[in-house]
Amino acid sequence: QKEVEQNSGPLSVPEGAIASLNCTYSDRGSQSFFWYRQYSGKSPELIMFIYSNGDKEDGRFTAQLNKASQYVSLLIRDSQPSDSATYLCAVRYVETSGSRLTFGEGTQLTVNP
Amino acid sequence: GAVVSQHPSWVICKSGTSVKIECRSLDFQATTMFWYRQFPKQSLMLMATSNEGSKATYEQGVEKDKFLINHASLTLSTLTVTSAHPEDSSFYICSARAPGPRTSLRRDTQYFGPGTRLTVL
Repeated sequence: QKEVEQNSGPLSVPEGAIASLNCTYSDRGSQSFFWYRQYSGKSPELIMFIYSNGDKEDGRFTAQLNKASQYVSLLIRDSQPSDSATYLCAVRYVETSGSRLTFGEGTQLTVNP
Repeated sequence: GAVVSQHPSWVICKSGTSVKIECRSLDFQATTMFWYRQFPKQSLMLMATSNEGSKATYEQGVEKDKFLINHASLTLSTLTVTSAHPEDSSFYICSARAPGPRTSLRRDTQYFGPGTRLTVL
């Protein structure tokens, strides 16, 4: 069973702080990793993807990948109340029938004004 | 990013009726689409993988005769919930996989439709 684990939270940070979201995965062969944001009652929207060890920055978002530790994280700098949502980590698994994404349970983030 | 639409955005139906949900990729051709279901305060659950021109691959525990999937073109996949019951009430979301070379890692990026909220009375 391929697993993706996230802290369910809720994670609460003050406005302007850095929010750190963590994700671990079980399959060392995983190659692609994705972060999605899901507002309540809405479908997920892609924030970032990463497939190389290290950091990848996009605006206020930084994804960090450590394949040796099987760990991927998302940092949100200068957090805003509009960042309050559930953040889903997804990992690409390759199977005989093809590849697909496996999602974690999501971490609920609340940014307090 | 890529745009994926779903129709309808919400539907209320009586128990025993069938409901069809459409998923369209608007600005790219999607050979593979995915159907998810999400219950309140739970994560996404993959129901099936829909491949254009072939039969869908269903996840364990998902009844293929109840959830009929048709992917007749590169831009359209449909999910039909047959003989819907109140326990089928959920948020149904489709996604389309971005095109690209088979070896491209970015190819696995999935773009989600806005979802369809189904309520079965």
